[in-house]
Amino acid sequence: ETGVTQSPTHLIKTRGQQVTLRCSSQSGHNTVSWYQQALGQGPQFIFQYYREEENGRGNFPPRFSGLQFPNYSSELNVNALELDDSALYLCASVDPRDSTDTQYFGPGTRLTVL
Amino acid sequence: QQQVKQSPQSLIVQKGGISIINCAYENTAFDYFPWYQQFPGKGPALLIAIRPDVSEKKEGRFTISFNKSAKQFSLHIMDSQPGDSATYFCAARRKTSGSARQLTFGSGTQLTVLP
Repeated sequence: ETGVTQSPTHLIKTRGQQVTLRCSSQSGHNTVSWYQQALGQGPQFIFQYYREEENGRGNFPPRFSGLQFPNYSSELNVNALELDDSALYLCASVDPRDSTDTQYFGPGTRLTVL
Repeated sequence: QQQVKQSPQSLIVQKGGISIINCAYENTAFDYFPWYQQFPGKGPALLIAIRPDVSEKKEGRFTISFNKSAKQFSLHIMDSQPGDSATYFCAARRKTSGSARQLTFGSGTQLTVLP
């Protein structure tokens, strides 16, 4: 049982706009990762936050940014939206008590950029 | 070197049959290999995982076989059921320079189990 929630479920934006996606991890999960999943592809790592600091980043431009709050919830912000940003955005959290560091995913936010 | 290659892209199996999905990797820094199952409209859910010091792991109908020297691993689903119809992703995890645990996913296999 992951308990990771994301909002909103769906979002439609136009090119050039900015968007903020939100994630609430399961209680006590202090590490949050964000992934982008384009249609028909596997998720791609955007970045990870641990105790409110970014501690790893994939091959995504700086217009993808994030925040993690003291309650370990997180936001993903994307500026200057491009058509190729249309994707399912997934948040995953990690239980620090789990020695395998397993990442548990939320249901995602489907972003469409027109 | 960051890629994880997954095959086949799609797989159709009769109920009761064995489903086999294969993955290969290059980066020896990967230290953990999970498989995720994803249903339409849902996020990926952890199915089973293995560490590279183990050659096989079985949980119920699901088995991972791991060949460290060949840098290959596979998922076997025994007695496949229509409810197993989903997209399956293999993944490999490594530690980034900033200590993050980054998952690299394969491209996915669309499994259809016919009744």
